[in-house]
Amino acid sequence: GAVVSQHPSRVICKSGTSVKIECRSLDFQATTMFWYRQFPKQSLMLMATSNEGSKATYEQGVEKDKFLINHASLTLSTLTVTSAHPEDSSFYICSATATSNTEAFFGQGTRLTVV
Amino acid sequence: AQTVTQSQPEMSVQEAETVTLSCTYDTSESDYYLFWYKQPPSRQMILVIRQEAYKQQNATENRFSVNFQKAAKSFSLKISDSQLGDAAMYFCAYRSAYGSARQLTFGSGTQLTVLP
Repeated sequence: GAVVSQHPSRVICKSGTSVKIECRSLDFQATTMFWYRQFPKQSLMLMATSNEGSKATYEQGVEKDKFLINHASLTLSTLTVTSAHPEDSSFYICSATATSNTEAFFGQGTRLTVV
Repeated sequence: AQTVTQSQPEMSVQEAETVTLSCTYDTSESDYYLFWYKQPPSRQMILVIRQEAYKQQNATENRFSVNFQKAAKSFSLKISDSQLGDAAMYFCAYRSAYGSARQLTFGSGTQLTVLP
């Protein structure tokens, strides 16, 4: 199956700083990438959908200025958590699909801890 | 909007036995895809099985099979000969077949414990 690599897997940052998370499709061109947030023992909550070369579409309640998403190429999307605060601590997961695919391929996830 | 409901927050099964996880969904669309994903403690999402709504035949992948009841909007997952490695959180997911939208709508998940 297709491989999606997410980096870093774990990051600890100080409150007020920004953190960038990368999501790469290694062996296919990802026309669409998705960013999810997951709290412990809960389901995945879609934050935003990004298509290559266009602005991301954010779900209701997700601050676009807080969670900056860039999908500059067909193999890379980034999520930047700006001015992070402890309440932003969570598990973030990306997934990617190609035009011809029906299924989504997931990255390994990033555990963000803001101290 | 579509919704996916998993009514069993936790399930347990004895090793080598069979367990069925329930999933219902609500949609007004006639064509769509349904998935079961597994999330082990590593938290990597792994696709277990996929069903296309226009196919009447239930999907099967080795020890995993589904019971897809389109009229009832039900999509249960049966795990046969359960193994310790099957212990994980299982999510049911829906995806529309229309348009360019490919986002998944997930259920709340079922935590499966496999007892030795």
